[in-house]
Amino acid sequence: IAGITQAPTSQILAAGRRMTLRCTQDMRHNAMYWYRQDLGLGLRLIHYSNTAGTTGKGEVPDGYSVSRANTDDFPLTLASAVPSQTSVYFCASSDGQGGYGYTFGSGTRLTVV
Amino acid sequence: GQNIDQPTEMTATEGAIVQINCTYQTSGFNGLFWYQQHAGEAPTFLSYNVLDGLEEKGRFSSFLSRSKGYSYLLLKELQMKDSASYLCAVVDSNYQLIWGAGTKLIIKP
Repeated sequence: IAGITQAPTSQILAAGRRMTLRCTQDMRHNAMYWYRQDLGLGLRLIHYSNTAGTTGKGEVPDGYSVSRANTDDFPLTLASAVPSQTSVYFCASSDGQGGYGYTFGSGTRLTVV
Repeated sequence: GQNIDQPTEMTATEGAIVQINCTYQTSGFNGLFWYQQHAGEAPTFLSYNVLDGLEEKGRFSSFLSRSKGYSYLLLKELQMKDSASYLCAVVDSNYQLIWGAGTKLIIKP
């Protein structure tokens, strides 16, 4: 089934630990995105990649890093987790400029304690 | 700055009609999306407007007025399964999506 797979589904993480959230798509979309969603704030863009080999910073990039070694994978790394990074993280992809028809993964619920 | 405004919460009755408004102020405009998000799930695409006017898709319709920076999502013949959050998002001049905080729609029997 074509779509986006995120892992893990949920995680409880001790503050200060390193964590990588995985995202894989099989639709051959060029653009991929990482969002965090917090109650009352909506979706906020962390990092994006318009094509393999390139990445860019979104609205809230601090404390996060990404890589895009190939078209399908777009992992998000928290180098040293802090409680304010407790959130639901969504990976998304799109097939063209303008984000027409974003497809979202099922999300990762991360709790940093 | 860029801003998308939507009501935080709305309540409607099963079988009725509800209109969810969205106003925006963004650097440029390259289209507006509406997404539906059920609790604990990912957002799913509902509609896309880039030209002024009404786009109808079954029980859901979306309207856009670019001169007023305004859109609405109209849901007809409401069903209990329509209880969800509805997210408005605008594509800005850099082709980035700017998201509203979402409107939580509660449907009562």
